[in-house]
Amino acid sequence: DIQMTQSPSSVSASVGDRVTITCRPSQGISGWLAWYQQKPGKAPKLLIYAASSLQSGVPSRFSGSGSGTDFTLTISSLQPEDLATYYCQQANRFPPTFGGGTKVEIK
Amino acid sequence: QVQLQESGPGLVKPSQTLSLTCTVSGGSISSGNYYWSWIRQPAGKGLEWIGRIYPSGSTDYNPSLKSRVTISVDTSKNQFSLKLSSVTAADTVVYYCARLDHSSGTFDAWGQGTLVTVSS
Repeated sequence: DIQMTQSPSSVSASVGDRVTITCRPSQGISGWLAWYQQKPGKAPKLLIYAASSLQSGVPSRFSGSGSGTDFTLTISSLQPEDLATYYCQQANRFPPTFGGGTKVEIK
Repeated sequence: QVQLQESGPGLVKPSQTLSLTCTVSGGSISSGNYYWSWIRQPAGKGLEWIGRIYPSGSTDYNPSLKSRVTISVDTSKNQFSLKLSSVTAADTVVYYCARLDHSSGTFDAWGQGTLVTVSS
């Protein structure tokens, strides 16, 4: 299985700050990467697919980039409602696998 | 907009079989280029993909659970189901059903999740 390593495991930032989360697969996955947001007590929600494509309805402050073995999720201006855990997922090889998550907290 | 809802017992005894059903509304389970999946999540931990089914009945399972998992579909009821046999306390987790977009390989719609506790 492809192992997905996210960093940091948690980040605390102020409203308006730029937040960057990294995901590194154990092998190259081209652009087959998705990002999800999971708010406390809720199901995950798809934010980004194909590494950089914004899912319909997702605010434009979220963006994704990268390919191969190095991917980034950026929140350009953190909002209070962005309090959540963020997960990456590879869709290149069977079985699909997820990163361990990055918890985003508001200072 | 498609919606998914899990249902089933919240408590299962050790060594027995866990059974959950996911009901899809707002669209046909047979339409579009989608697989239907089960994913699980231990409390406070990450996500583990369990398996998927195509409306035709074709299935794929995570090798780590394959020996214990069966996923089936009932297109007439717009439902798909999960059976996990020989459960232990380690299977006490939240189970989600989700729609898997075949073209992108991503899970674009999720149920709210259901906690299943394995205990005697």
